[in-house]
Formats: sequence, C-alpha cells, structure tokens
Amino acid sequence: AQSVSQHNHHVILSEAASLELGCNYSYGGTVNLFWYVQYPGQHLQLLLKYFSGDPLVKGIKGFEAEFIKSKFSFNLRKPSVQWSDTAEYFCAVNRWSNTGKLIFGQGTTLQVKP
Amino acid sequence: DTGVSQNPRHKITKRGQNVTFRCDPISEHNRLYWYRQTLGQGPEFLTYFQNEAQLEKSRLLSDRFSAERPKGSFSTLEIQRTEQGDSAMYLCASSLSDSWGDRETQYFGPGTRLLVL
Repeated sequence: AQSVSQHNHHVILSEAASLELGCNYSYGGTVNLFWYVQYPGQHLQLLLKYFSGDPLVKGIKGFEAEFIKSKFSFNLRKPSVQWSDTAEYFCAVNRWSNTGKLIFGQGTTLQVKP
Repeated sequence: DTGVSQNPRHKITKRGQNVTFRCDPISEHNRLYWYRQTLGQGPEFLTYFQNEAQLEKSRLLSDRFSAERPKGSFSTLEIQRTEQGDSAMYLCASSLSDSWGDRETQYFGPGTRLLVL
C-alpha cells in the first residue's frame, strides 16, 4: 500500500537547537511533496512544497526541505528553532496524476522549550 | 480573509443522528477535498470534487457518507446514522488545478470537530 512515514512522532528541543524531521514515502514514479504545519489551535498551513527542479526547497519561517529521490525522502530542516515553532508537522505526498489527493504521514509533534 | 471556511466548527450529536457539514472554498478554486483526521494521525482522504463533479471517493467513505458540491462552489458532507467511530475532525481543502492536474497546492480550512456520543 502507498504510504508516508514520519519516523519521529514526538520531538523535544531547546531553543536554538537544529531540527530535522524525517519523511519517507513508498510511491514509485513522480511525486509532489509537501510539509504542512499546524500550530496549537490553528488550521493546517503550508510550510513548503516540491514539484520539480532544485531538490532543496525553502519555505516560510526559515524552514527548508531536501528531496532525495533515491531515498524516497523529503526531510524537513531548520538550523535554529524557536519556541514559536512548537507545532505538529505533517509530511504529505501526491502522485503526478489527475487526482491531487494527498497522502499524509501521521505527524510529528515538535515541542520547543524556551 | 478569503481562506477556506467550514461550519460548524464543533458538532456534538447522539449516535444514530444525521449531521451535515459545510465547506466554502477559496473563491475560484475548482477543486475541493474532504479529509478526516483522528487524534494522533494525519488527515485521510475521503473524497474530492472538480467543479461540481465528484471524481473520487475513498473506501473509507461508507454508504452513510455523502458529499455534494451542487454549483461547483460550496460543498456539504452528510453523515447519516452516526456512529461513535465517526468522531473525528473533518477537514476541507481547496485548490486551483491546471489542465494537467499535476501541480496544485491545497489550502485547508479550520475543520469541523465531530463528537458522537
């Protein structure tokens, strides 16, 4: 079955620490890749996306992600986290086709200690 | 703000009752998606519309669930004879799809949280 795996379910970091959240998917073929973030009490917001081209994509709030096709991975990174980055992070994938349905990972809860 | 809106935001119902949720997409977005999210999980696809046509339904969508988008604008999701297992957050997303349909970004609404007692 097609799936998206986020390896870290709960991450706790101190402010200024570096962040890397793993995401792997099991599709063959061409995919679009997304990271969404859900801050406490808010709705899902797009953090960044990859369609094609440069595999290193930059998003909002200093986040970036790298697509490594050979590893079926799209890991999210941030060099220095802030307390305001406390949120739940979801990786999502869809296949190049005429349906845009997203397959989500189960999410990673990030807690940043001040 | 012209983002995706959903109503109601919360719904508590008794088992066996019918409920209906509404989603208003971003203006001019031609695609509208419904997802369901349970605690500790990522959203799961339920169904989607391109304009007024319902193009795909997940196997998760039992025959108690029905969705419509009658004029290609807002959409409703109805659950008949609710069960406790239907308790979840129901999310709506919309997007503007090009003719290829392979590069689109979905924007999510705040969701409707359903609790079935």
